[in-house]
Amino acid sequence: KNQVEQSPQSLIILEGKNCTLQCNYTVSPFSNLRWYKQDTGRGPVSLTIMTFSENTKSNGRYTATLDADTKQSSLHITASQLSDSASYICVVSAWGTYKYIFGTGTRLKVLA
Amino acid sequence: NAGVTQTPKFRILKIGQSMTLQCAQDMNHNYMYWYRQDPGMGLKLIYYSVGAGITDKGEVPNGYNVSRSTTEDFPLRLELAAPSQTSVYFCASSYEGGELFFGEGSRLTVL
Repeated sequence: KNQVEQSPQSLIILEGKNCTLQCNYTVSPFSNLRWYKQDTGRGPVSLTIMTFSENTKSNGRYTATLDADTKQSSLHITASQLSDSASYICVVSAWGTYKYIFGTGTRLKVLA
Repeated sequence: NAGVTQTPKFRILKIGQSMTLQCAQDMNHNYMYWYRQDPGMGLKLIYYSVGAGITDKGEVPNGYNVSRSTTEDFPLRLELAAPSQTSVYFCASSYEGGELFFGEGSRLTVL
């Protein structure tokens, strides 16, 4: 069964600190993996997309990694800001389908 | 550029009532989706459409209906509302299964 699991469920860090969120998937055949940021009460917004051949991709203070062999991805946030407080959702697409498999998300809270 | 627009943002229904959640996109995307998000859970696919006139069931279609008469619009109909349909509903669209663009959500409470 196609599944996406994220850890931790929630995380609290101090402003300026770094953190890493994890995503494990069992989606086959793998097409791509996206990280989305969802602010409270808003729709998710795409941060980055990883395809099979990509290991690392950065978007400002966000860096995503992908290990297609172990089927793991991580999202590293550098020098966190209060505005980073949100849920981060890992979404995986299977090749040849129109569907997206969603993780349950990691709820990040950044404290001043 | 408006993107994906959902209405209403909030609605309270009584058990047994019916309503339609509206969704429109102006990006000429062919794929459109309806998801529901319950507290602490991932998004679950209700229905999707790969083009005008074509719709298909997702994981949790019971109690819902959709139509896709135009590329732009993808309304979700709730018939005989039940408390289990209390949730936040998101409409999304993509081009050929690429990046998903979401609306701001519709928060529905059934009492």
